[in-house]
Amino acid sequence: GESVGLHLPTLSVQEGDNSIINCAYSNSASDYFIWYKQESGKGPQFIIDIRSNMDKRQGQRVTVLLNKTVKHLSLQIAATQPGDSAVYFCAEIIGTYKYIFGTGTRLKVLA
Amino acid sequence: DTGVSQNPRHKITKRGQNVTFRCDPISEHNRLYWYRQTLGQGPEFLTYFQNEAQLEKSRLLSDRFSAERPKGSFSTLEIQRTEQGDSAMYLCASSLGPRNEQFFGPGTRLTVL
Repeated sequence: GESVGLHLPTLSVQEGDNSIINCAYSNSASDYFIWYKQESGKGPQFIIDIRSNMDKRQGQRVTVLLNKTVKHLSLQIAATQPGDSAVYFCAEIIGTYKYIFGTGTRLKVLA
Repeated sequence: DTGVSQNPRHKITKRGQNVTFRCDPISEHNRLYWYRQTLGQGPEFLTYFQNEAQLEKSRLLSDRFSAERPKGSFSTLEIQRTEQGDSAMYLCASSLGPRNEQFFGPGTRLTVL
């Protein structure tokens, strides 16, 4: 079936280092992807999105890379800060509204 | 705060009881979604409304679950005869239109004893 998954369940990085969170998706027809950040006790919060006609999109301290050939998505966080500690989900959007979320990667920032 | 609110934030109930959750979306958003999230997992789609019309229901939504959005504004999700397996976080999201970002509420955490 359709699925979106993450390679690493937990990622620990030193404060100030760059973080890379990976995601694999399975539906080649998907043309829109979003990264969400979820802190404990809160709902998912939009970080950055990318459409399939792009390979890369940059935001403030975050970059999303899309490799359609291998159906892989990554989120890069520059100069990781303690406030970045959270669970990160990629979501694959099918059609106009159906979001398929992966399992999530927990990012721990070490002081 | 995304502007989507959910009440209650926490609900503890005994098996077999009925529970109802409420979601107030961002006011101009005509699309509303319900998801269920268990620990360590991503949210799973349950159902979707465009205005007051419920356009899709996941097969995860058993007959014990019902959702309404009577006036195209707030929505309720009711679970009848709760089971321990219903324990989860129930998330609501809204969006302005198709292909637009969904904004999530803080969720209602349900614990069924």
